Amino acid sequence: QVQLKESGPGLVQPSQTLSLTCTVSGLSLTSNSVSWIRQPPGKGLEWMGVIWSNGGTDYNSAIKSRLSISRDTSKSQVFLKMNSLQTEDTAMYFCAREGEAPFAYWGQGTLVTVSS
Amino acid sequence: DIVLTQSPALAVSLGQRATISCKTNQNVDYYGNSYMHWYQQKPGQQPKLLIYLASNLASGIPARFSGRGSGTDFTLTIDPVEADDTATYYCQQSRNLPWTFGGGTKLELK
Repeated sequence: QVQLKESGPGLVQPSQTLSLTCTVSGLSLTSNSVSWIRQPPGKGLEWMGVIWSNGGTDYNSAIKSRLSISRDTSKSQVFLKMNSLQTEDTAMYFCAREGEAPFAYWGQGTLVTVSS
Repeated sequence: DIVLTQSPALAVSLGQRATISCKTNQNVDYYGNSYMHWYQQKPGQQPKLLIYLASNLASGIPARFSGRGSGTDFTLTIDPVEADDTATYYCQQSRNLPWTFGGGTKLELK
């Protein structure tokens, strides 16, 4: 059974760096891609970026300069780091694993609030 | 970027058919597949995959849900609608990066 779980700080100060972890169970990270997707309160979904099964990455150009995705395959963990956070980065952050579609399996999400 | 356009809301009666549309500004077909997927999101929950590659039912999804379309025009149909189907439905393309979502259609009961 594939499961994903996001973790990280619920509150980040403006201009600081966000660090999130996605722990994946049930399948190897070297088999499928994992993406990060976010959703501001009351709004739609935005794909942020992906780490492919071979470890390569692609990012949404809108946030590419601020975003980094990496992984530790031995721990089945995928990491998101985004710097220079602003209030508009307040959102639920999801990780999702590829299956029949790029986002076949989702974590429950973690809410990040950017506020001083 | 490929832009996906959905109507914001749809109201249907229990037991009736709901048809949710998604139009793209670029063709999302490639070598015989339409790279369009549909997700359901209930309040406070993560999205759930319903349909992949335009018309394939994801595992565990009831046959009341179906998808069709190709090129730039796609639809998700729920027939018959049940009370548990009230949710927001998103289309999403994986033909080109960046992968993009439609704005979502909120399904409500009359």
